[in-house]
Amino acid sequence: DGGITQSPKYLFRKEGQNVTLSCEQNLNHDAMYWYRQDPGQGLRLIYYSQIVNDFQKGDIAEGYSVSREKKESFPLTVTSAQKNPTAFYLCASSIVPGLAQPQHFGDGTRLSIL
Amino acid sequence: SQELEQSPQSLIVQEGKNLTINCTSSKTLYGLYWYKQKYGEGLIFLMMLQKGGEEKSHEKITAKLDEKKQQSSLHITASQPSHAGIYLCGADIQAGTALIFGKGTTLSVSS
Repeated sequence: DGGITQSPKYLFRKEGQNVTLSCEQNLNHDAMYWYRQDPGQGLRLIYYSQIVNDFQKGDIAEGYSVSREKKESFPLTVTSAQKNPTAFYLCASSIVPGLAQPQHFGDGTRLSIL
Repeated sequence: SQELEQSPQSLIVQEGKNLTINCTSSKTLYGLYWYKQKYGEGLIFLMMLQKGGEEKSHEKITAKLDEKKQQSSLHITASQPSHAGIYLCGADIQAGTALIFGKGTTLSVSS
């Protein structure tokens, strides 16, 4: 079955530590996205990528980094510069970036501070 | 700034009752998407609306997009406990970028 796989489901970060969240899709989608969800805040865009080896910052990119070396993979690193990383992180993909295409979501990763 | 406003923020209805959730934008929308989320899980795509005045239905859920393409409503008829969850609207407001989302409406259905 095609879909988006996020791992791990739960992740804990120590002070000063970088952590990487995995997102893999086998839908052959060109575009991939990372969102952060906080209670009562809805989804906020961190980064998105429309094509391999290219990505753009979203509204809250500070303290995060991404790479897009393969079409099916879009890992997100939460760096020590992100002072409030506790949140639910959602990865999504769509066939083409932009108009009239629904985004499909993974099951999310919940990141907490130790 | 929040460009999609959802209302109400939360809703508690008795099983069997109808309900409506609204999503409003200050800008013309190229596409409007409704998703459902169970707490701690990913978003499940429900429906996409593109044209002004468009209406789509799936089982007991109907979504409409107004003629100006700035407001959408999601209507659930004869609610059931399985309808409980968080409903989010997402929208294309600029070509070639990611969707923006409202803050969501949390629906509880009491039996």
